[in-house]
Amino acid sequence: QTVVTQEPSLTVSPGGTVTLTCASTTGAVTSNYYPSWFQQKPGQAPRALIYTTSNRHSWTPARFSGSLLGGKAALTLSGVQPEDEADYYCLLYYGGARVFGGGTKLTVL
Amino acid sequence: EVRLVESGGGLVQPGGSLRLSCAASGFTFSSYWMSWVRQAPGKGLEWVANIRQDGSEKYSVDSVKGRFTISRDNAKNSLYLQMNSLRAEDTAVYYCARDVNDFWSGKWIDYWGQGTLVTVSS
Repeated sequence: QTVVTQEPSLTVSPGGTVTLTCASTTGAVTSNYYPSWFQQKPGQAPRALIYTTSNRHSWTPARFSGSLLGGKAALTLSGVQPEDEADYYCLLYYGGARVFGGGTKLTVL
Repeated sequence: EVRLVESGGGLVQPGGSLRLSCAASGFTFSSYWMSWVRQAPGKGLEWVANIRQDGSEKYSVDSVKGRFTISRDNAKNSLYLQMNSLRAEDTAVYYCARDVNDFWSGKWIDYWGQGTLVTVSS
């Protein structure tokens, strides 16, 4: 069974930079996994942030960026704002099916 | 404006059935794959199933194979999830989402509905 792993929680100071990662039990994450990222705040539906590794949606602030880093997909937040406190999920593609990571709870403190 | 509105959730006994619907508007429904994603209370997101534009190709997570069936009616701009043999662990908010699954464009999920809650309990 494929498992996608993220850091359970991270803390960052306002204005700081933080990187969230997404790993697969099948091996190194490459662009062929079409990694994407989502933000979810309490009581809300998820919101798409990044698709196909590093592309921002039209509504995604420029402080969010995606990349591949050391065999993992990565989401970097630069100049973190208090409103960025949320849960973040990655999503990987496995030949038609998709698997979400377990999520990272980001605290801005 | 893209809009996805789920309906059909509710309380059902273990072993029972439920059919979820998702009404789509604001885009050409027949041009997109569609997905169902669920989230158990206090837990993370779990991708459940998706379906090709014409319904000819479907994928689903192992835990629902043989119990859940995804379908669509492009004439009604609607997506469905027929859920049979429901278990307590199927209790979750079920989201409908637009799915891009194209060789040239890439593969991603962009727009989401607000979700409908399914509770499986006696």
